[in-house]
Amino acid sequence: EAGVTQFPSHSVIEKGQTVTLRCDPISGHDNLYWYRRVMGKEIKFLLHFVKESKQDESGMPNNRFLAERTGGTYSTLKVQPAELEDSGVYFCASSPRLAATGELFFGEGSRLTVL
Amino acid sequence: GENVEQHPSTLSVQEGDSAVIKCTYSDSASNYFPWYKQELGKRPQLIIDIRSNVGEKKDQRIAVTLNKTAKHFSLHITETQPEDSAVYFCAARSAGTYKYIFGTGTRLKVLA
Repeated sequence: EAGVTQFPSHSVIEKGQTVTLRCDPISGHDNLYWYRRVMGKEIKFLLHFVKESKQDESGMPNNRFLAERTGGTYSTLKVQPAELEDSGVYFCASSPRLAATGELFFGEGSRLTVL
Repeated sequence: GENVEQHPSTLSVQEGDSAVIKCTYSDSASNYFPWYKQELGKRPQLIIDIRSNVGEKKDQRIAVTLNKTAKHFSLHITETQPEDSAVYFCAARSAGTYKYIFGTGTRLKVLA
């Protein structure tokens, strides 16, 4: 079974540009999460989808960030326009709707560098 | 807001020694506490978890303890091996939510 996949693995852009990160969750996982880790800090919650619906977007930093999950499958996270402080590793994770455990299945992350 | 403090940020131990990583959470409604291990260049993966109705859980060389009164939980690794070298994250989740609050991570180095 394929795990959570994220693309791109690394993106370097200039301040003011736009970047779109993509996440493909494990097939059948209704829950999809975006997290971000700035170097040396915690893995910080951004938002949570159940299928195509945003359940909790309380962690989104500001309106420069837009997450979508059309059709309830893959998700995209767009940053527009990017700022220096947006640099970090963006993790996507998924989990089944009714899970025996609380395990999150993470992707390998997309490292974003804003110059 | 809710937060999880994790200490130490780095830890070096000799192979065969034990390692302990400690976390403190702020939300008294937290009831699920997982630990994730992230090896260099790889994805974080769950290694052990504990629920609030249990005080201790063990899986081979790793164990987690929970003190609900003090809002502390700890990861214990015994007989450390070089392959235990990684960044470890603790997390807490509150009942009825899907939101996980992570700690800042501990970089463990096991010296051969």
